[in-house]
Amino acid sequence: AQSVTQPDIHITVSEGASLELRCNYSYGATPYLFWYVQSPGQGLQLLLKYFSGDTLVQGIKGFEAEFKRSQSSFNLRKPSVHWSDAAEYFCAVGARGGADGLTFGKGTHLIIQP
Amino acid sequence: GAGVSQTPSNKVTEKGKYVELRCDPISGHTALYWYRQSLGQGPEFLIYFQGTGAADDSGLPNDRFFAVRPEGSVSTLKIQRTERGDSAVYLCASSLSGGGADTQYFGPGTRLTVL
Repeated sequence: AQSVTQPDIHITVSEGASLELRCNYSYGATPYLFWYVQSPGQGLQLLLKYFSGDTLVQGIKGFEAEFKRSQSSFNLRKPSVHWSDAAEYFCAVGARGGADGLTFGKGTHLIIQP
Repeated sequence: GAGVSQTPSNKVTEKGKYVELRCDPISGHTALYWYRQSLGQGPEFLIYFQGTGAADDSGLPNDRFFAVRPEGSVSTLKIQRTERGDSAVYLCASSLSGGGADTQYFGPGTRLTVL
């Protein structure tokens, strides 16, 4: 069975600074990988996903993520954060060829300092 | 177009009662998922429908939980004899055709509180 680890429960970043949120996964083959964002009172919104091809994936809102097979990682990055980026971020893995739902990490709470 | 909608947005019930939570997926989406999100946790998979049938119900915690999707569109999650531990946000998602790479679109959730 697959699993996802997000080692950082909280991260505080100054507005305008760069951001990297860590995600490590466990899966027997190359998985499908996702990053979702959840703002207070909002549903989960997909930022980006990886399923094949170029290991650097571009998403919405200026986010990108890089799949590194050797490190079983899929870290999310943004070069310059905005106050509106404050939210909960979830990394998730989906099984190839399966009908299962996604397996999510516990999330990273991003706080933006002015 | 309209996204995934869930009703009610909040539900407060007493221990031992029966509750139903409703999900309206995006029109034309054949796959529908239910997840449960406890405080401070990521969503946890409960059940997946492909059309009218439950393709994977391995995430349902016990036989008090049941879900249906009789016409392949709207789904209802049913919880019998509710317990305080069932308190959580219940999320519904739909995708066009299912499968691991398909994007799942989430609803706003139903916050269930069992007193």
